[in-house]
Amino acid sequence: DVKVTQSSRYLVKRTGEKVFLECVQDMDHENMFWYRQDPGLGLRLIYFSYDVKMKEKGDIPEGYSVSREKKERFSLILESASTNQTSMYLCASSLDSPGTGRAAFFGQGTRLTVV
Amino acid sequence: GESVGLHLPTLSVQEGDNSIINCAYSNSASDYFIWYKQESGKGPQFIIDIRSNMDKRQGQRVTVLLNKTVKHLSLQIAATQPGDSAVYFCAENRDDKIIFGKGTRLHILP
Repeated sequence: DVKVTQSSRYLVKRTGEKVFLECVQDMDHENMFWYRQDPGLGLRLIYFSYDVKMKEKGDIPEGYSVSREKKERFSLILESASTNQTSMYLCASSLDSPGTGRAAFFGQGTRLTVV
Repeated sequence: GESVGLHLPTLSVQEGDNSIINCAYSNSASDYFIWYKQESGKGPQFIIDIRSNMDKRQGQRVTVLLNKTVKHLSLQIAATQPGDSAVYFCAENRDDKIIFGKGTRLHILP
């Protein structure tokens, strides 16, 4: 089975802190994604990556950056955390481009609270 | 605009009955659709998918129907069980990104 692991289930950070959310997948997937999930808004795509050192903006990239130095690891970075970034963050990976018919597999999520 | 949306935010179904969860999409160019199930405290889990060249696809106790004419997608769950209680999301592939709807909560009545 595909395993997507997010390093933390719960995080509490202070406003202005730099925050790193880590995600690792063990199935040699090419594609990795970061979403945030908020009540009433569903899942919204922040950034995604199709290959090492490659990144593409999703629908809500403002206030975030990402890093993909190794194929199995995709990091989401909040350069200066703000309270409106309090959310559930979900990492996902997929074998091929979604257009080829491969669904994404998700991690358990990291619930981030910024105080 | 671009949207993948659901008709009802909450659906209550008697245990043992069939459940039907609906989804509308707006982008006629979308060619691949996925249903996910998210249980409390967990990430979304893949249930079933369908390509736009198909009208129907069946899995174990689940069926997805796609009506491209009216841009409508549905998930049917047969003989609903307590373990089916979750939020269900439809998602579409658009420009190689998976875009999610807002979700429907399925509540099972005893």
